[in-house]
Amino acid sequence: DTAVSQTPKYLVTQMGNDKSIKCEQNLGHDTMYWYKQDSKKFLKIMFSYNNKELIINETVPNRFSPKSPDKAHLNLHINSLELGDSAVYFCASSPRLGYEQYFGPGTRLTVT
Amino acid sequence: AQRVTQPEKLLSVFKGAPVELKCNYSYSGSPELFWYVQYSRQRLQLLLRHISRESIKGFTADLNKGETSFHLKKPFAQEEDSAMYYCALSGRSRSGGSNYKLTFGKGTLLTVNP
Repeated sequence: DTAVSQTPKYLVTQMGNDKSIKCEQNLGHDTMYWYKQDSKKFLKIMFSYNNKELIINETVPNRFSPKSPDKAHLNLHINSLELGDSAVYFCASSPRLGYEQYFGPGTRLTVT
Repeated sequence: AQRVTQPEKLLSVFKGAPVELKCNYSYSGSPELFWYVQYSRQRLQLLLRHISRESIKGFTADLNKGETSFHLKKPFAQEEDSAMYYCALSGRSRSGGSNYKLTFGKGTLLTVNP
């Protein structure tokens, strides 16, 4: 009965490849988010979706493209992966904008 | 613009000692503040939020608007409190309107020694 789940948990890939990370929440929340946690543990928001609509895009390169097929899912597709993309990516959801967020377990992406 | 500052990257205390993790914020509106905790290799979990004024796992935090602070305190630290602690502020995003975003501080790694 995991509330926010992400797949895969680990992802190792080479530079230049395209990869996707999936996120699902079964909490009935309206809002979902993607965060990037770098090697220094700094957490930064990338995107926010509310009712399947993109509402926050925090100057993320356009190689990153989120997709929300429905309110319960927010996937992240990354084109032409670069070394600097290596990080842990967290998905989160909240009942509405501005409410407390519930985080997924994270996806550790390593680009070689 | 909204900013959250956690001045201490690392904090080490002994079991049973009081602990205070500092958080200062900058925000022009009325903020909503949170503390999140991340145990080793686990997901972030909400620890507490200022509007609920509750105590979770012995931790409390009081919003001081005059000092723009939201420090996290616990009178007697336990070894299981060792974790990364993030202070976060919910405020309007740059796009304005009703778009809120959560801005995190850089985190404080708390180590409680036996």
